[in-house]
Order: sequence, then structure tokens, then C-alpha cells
Amino acid sequence: AAGVIQSPRHLIKEKRETATLKCYPIPRHDTVYWYQQGPGQDPQFLISFYEKMQSDKGSIPDRFSAQQFSDYHSELNMSSLELGDSALYFCASSLGGVDYGYTFGSGTRLTVV
Amino acid sequence: DAKTTQPPSMDCAEGRAANLPCNHSTISGNEYVYWYRQIHSQGPQYIIHGLKNNETNEMASLIITEDRKSSTLILPHATLRDTAVYYCIVRVAEYSSASKIIFGSGTRLSIRP
Repeated sequence: AAGVIQSPRHLIKEKRETATLKCYPIPRHDTVYWYQQGPGQDPQFLISFYEKMQSDKGSIPDRFSAQQFSDYHSELNMSSLELGDSALYFCASSLGGVDYGYTFGSGTRLTVV
Repeated sequence: DAKTTQPPSMDCAEGRAANLPCNHSTISGNEYVYWYRQIHSQGPQYIIHGLKNNETNEMASLIITEDRKSSTLILPHATLRDTAVYYCIVRVAEYSSASKIIFGSGTRLSIRP
């Protein structure tokens, strides 16, 4: 069965650079969620989109922005990267009207040097 | 969403049943109990969820007390691959709208050979 696809799997950036993470949800899923997980921490909710509109916002820095496109894939844009942004970034998708739980992708490991 | 309380760590012998408790004393009538797990650095994985009846699937069983203030996730025959952090989450499963999952501290389950 198709899963949530995230790209790239690994990314190394320097401080003050920009990074773009991509998430391709399961086909027909209309809701996407982004989470950040720092070393030794639990996943923290960043932002979510339902039918291409932002539906909820968590502890997402102003330097980050995200959107969901017409094909339902989503991109997380991160600017002015800081060392503290080094983390695993997970994307999850669900079918908004049927809640059997989210399906998470394998994550993107971002390292800022 | 209601707050949950889980023991920080547990261990279990391989082949035995692993019983993971969760307290959610402030749960509301329309909130479900969800369980996810995260194997090291992988994306969180949905296990099971329920409202008030006990539930069973191919991965686990969920026992919810009659007053719904606590629940137990049961892995009937634990294997080494079940070593993970297990998260108990209480949230509303709102039909036709997105609802974010908030991860707490979870229980780190170690399966010993």
C-alpha cells in the first residue's frame, strides 16, 4: 500500500540558509500535518492543512512557512536556519472525514551546521 | 485535548504480554483514546483507538475502564521489534475536520530476550 513519502530523507544546511521539505500524502488523503522532533524529544506539532487551507498551527517559528498544493502535497519552507532547527521533521496524512489515525512518513533529518 | 499520564519506562520479557497503562482522568465524553508507537527515529505508527468499548486488532488490544478514566494497551506476545516509545493520546475524532495529535512523554518499552 502507498505510504506517506517525504523528501529528502537527509539534508545538511549551513546556518542562515534555507531548506524546503516535501511531503506527498497517501492518495486521496486531504489532510497533512507537520511535526518537528529534536534529539531526545517527543514530536512537536507545527502546522496542518485540510483541503489546501491551513487548519491548525502549533509552535511553528515565524521563519518557517508551509503550504498544501492542488495535488495535496505539502512543502515546509524554513529560512534563516539556526543550529536549533536540527531535528527530524515528520509529515503525516489522513482523510479528513474518516479518522482511523494518521499515517506518518519516515521523516526528513535536517542537520544545520 | 485531555492530558494523559504514562509511566516513563517499562520492560517486558520476549513472548510475554506487555501491558501499558495510561491515565486520562479528565477525558470528555466525545474524546477517543489513541495509541501510537515510535520505533527509534522512525515515524510514529498508529496502533489502535477506541471510545468506550474494548478494541482488538492484529497489533494489540485496548482495554478502557468503564469510567473511561484509564486504559491499558496490551501487546499479547511481545517481540524484540516491539521495543519503542508508546504514546497514549486522547483527542476528539471530529468528522470532516482536521484535528491535530499532541504527543506527550510516552512510555519507553524495552523487550528483553
